[in-house]
Amino acid sequence: EVQLVQSGAEVKKPGESLKISCKGSGYSFTSYWIGWVRQMPGKGLEWMGIIYPGDSDTRYSPSFQGQVTISADKSISTAYLQWSSLKASDTAMYYCARHSKMATIEADFDYWGQGTLVTVSS
Amino acid sequence: AIRITQSPSSLSASTGDRVTITCRASQGISSYLAWYQQKPGKAPKLLIYAASTLQSGVPSRFSGSGSGTDFTLTISCLQSEDFATYYCQQYYSYPQDFGQGTRLEIK
Repeated sequence: EVQLVQSGAEVKKPGESLKISCKGSGYSFTSYWIGWVRQMPGKGLEWMGIIYPGDSDTRYSPSFQGQVTISADKSISTAYLQWSSLKASDTAMYYCARHSKMATIEADFDYWGQGTLVTVSS
Repeated sequence: AIRITQSPSSLSASTGDRVTITCRASQGISSYLAWYQQKPGKAPKLLIYAASTLQSGVPSRFSGSGSGTDFTLTISCLQSEDFATYYCQQYYSYPQDFGQGTRLEIK
């Protein structure tokens, strides 16, 4: 069974750093692109970027380029989303999701993590 | 970047109704479009991919159509469990953006 299990909720202060995780299981982790999606409170879904764990090829939305870093550790089947200096506007639910087709960048998301709520407040 | 315009932003309907949601892309995306359903507090769920292919396990009252720039999601006979928010997503090129969402409410 394919599963994406995300790390737990975080409460941080502005300026702090953070790295959240998404662990894949039940499939070949290195063979499918994994993406990150932001959902701010009461708002829609925003595509942040994707990574191919097999070679760490990464693509970012221009809206998020330079604001976050997406990485993966294929040895432990885990993708990451990190911030070096959080802002209050980073408060949101963050989902990871897997592309549906092996080694294909043009694909929909067929499996989703449960979400990680990040709250940034002084 | 390709802009995706989804409409309407909200929709009121009754159980048993037929509803249609549309997405328009700012340039041609072939059939590289997916539809998702999201219920409050839950992750999105894939309903349709490649514009018209039903994801396994999704009821047949859901259908998708279109190619190029104009796409529709139709729910043929609304059930109580269908009241949710729906999003389209283009995956023709990155950023593989989502539409703004359509909140489907009970009339």
